[in-house]
Amino acid sequence: EIVLTQSPGTLSLSPGERATLSCRASQSVTSAYLAWYQQKPGQAPRLLIYGASSRATGIPDRFSGSGSGTDFTLTISRLEPEDFAVYYCQQYGGSPLYTFGQGTKLEI
Amino acid sequence: QVQLQESGPGLVKPSGTLSLTCAVSGGSISSSNWWIWVRQPPGRGLEWIAEIYHSGTTNYSPSLKSRVTISVDKSKNQFSLKLSSVTAADTAVYYCGRVARTGDHFDSWGQGALVTVSS
Repeated sequence: EIVLTQSPGTLSLSPGERATLSCRASQSVTSAYLAWYQQKPGQAPRLLIYGASSRATGIPDRFSGSGSGTDFTLTISRLEPEDFAVYYCQQYGGSPLYTFGQGTKLEI
Repeated sequence: QVQLQESGPGLVKPSGTLSLTCAVSGGSISSSNWWIWVRQPPGRGLEWIAEIYHSGTTNYSPSLKSRVTISVDKSKNQFSLKLSSVTAADTAVYYCGRVARTGDHFDSWGQGALVTVSS
């Protein structure tokens, strides 16, 4: 099983600041198969990034993804109030087919 | 734009069977997409449970495979989840979703259905 470890667990920042979220895999992940989601309280996850660096439809360009192999990063260039949420990385492949990281809570 | 809506009992007794249905609208379940169930225990992270293709081909999480059945009803444009022998540990919000055509991530989600296992 490929285990995804996200850090930090909680990130405290202010609007306008830059956020850098990390997702580390226990073994190499195909970049094409790494995605990021945003989840707000009481809501379903929303796809932000797929293929490690491609933004999903309608996602603002302040969100960007990068990385390869075992280390991936989600960057939010200038935080807006609506960006404070929990973020999950997810990979495809292996057994189980899909696994998620434990999440990073981005708080004000 | 495809929309998904979960439905089913919100309360299931221990040792019973959890049953949920996901209705798909705005698109066909027979499209070139897989369909999935993911769950989230209260205050915790996301766990993939199973996926199905309209042909009936399935994949299951090894940790749940012995208790899970996913099925599709093309005539009703919906798919379903059954989880047997439930315990309190199965209490969670259950989401249905769609796998993107690239096959590796989830591009549409239902709003989620809270299922509580309690006597």
